[in-house]
Amino acid sequence: TQLLEQSPQFLSIQEGENLTVYCNSSSVFSSLQWYRQEPGEGPVLLVTVVTGGEVKKLKRLTFQFGDARKDSSLHITAAQPGDTGLYLCAGPLYNTDKLIFGTGTRLQVFP
Amino acid sequence: NAGVTQTPKFQVLKTGQSMTLQCAQDMNHNSMYWYRQDPGMGLRLIYYSASEGTTDKGEVPNGYNVSRLNKREFSLRLESAAPSQTSVYFCASSEATAGFGSYEQYFGPGTRLTVT
Repeated sequence: TQLLEQSPQFLSIQEGENLTVYCNSSSVFSSLQWYRQEPGEGPVLLVTVVTGGEVKKLKRLTFQFGDARKDSSLHITAAQPGDTGLYLCAGPLYNTDKLIFGTGTRLQVFP
Repeated sequence: NAGVTQTPKFQVLKTGQSMTLQCAQDMNHNSMYWYRQDPGMGLRLIYYSASEGTTDKGEVPNGYNVSRLNKREFSLRLESAAPSQTSVYFCASSEATAGFGSYEQYFGPGTRLTVT
């Protein structure tokens, strides 16, 4: 069974701090995605990583796909209150167009 | 371009009542999905449809039925609501087909359902 575990579950930090969120699995994924969900809204895709070892940057957000394609991380530099939300990783179930989602990391950034 | 729209946004039902959640997408996507989101449990797939006229069960299908009316619309029906179905329901669509595409899913704003 393919599962995605995220850590930490909750993170409360002050504006300006750095943080890293992890997404781990014992299964290999062809790609992994990161979504951000703001209160009262649906998740929105931030990035897709498809190559083992790949690093993608989106302004202050850095995403990395593990060499073995079993894990991914999201690093935020100098967090801002606008980064507050639920961060979800997701990966495709083998040979289907269905995604499985991690349980999420809820980030709160205080001014 | 509206993307994925869902109605209603909020609903309160009594145990045993029925209702249909509506979803429509205007991106010409083949695949559509219904999820429920509960605290601490992430998004769990209820049903999905890979194309018009086809539907398949996801992880938590019990108590729900779906209908893929056409390529744009995918509805979720609760025949006899139970308190355990209190949740936030999201519809999503994707252009991906099995083994191809980026699998990016586009989500609607959600329906917040309370069953008392």
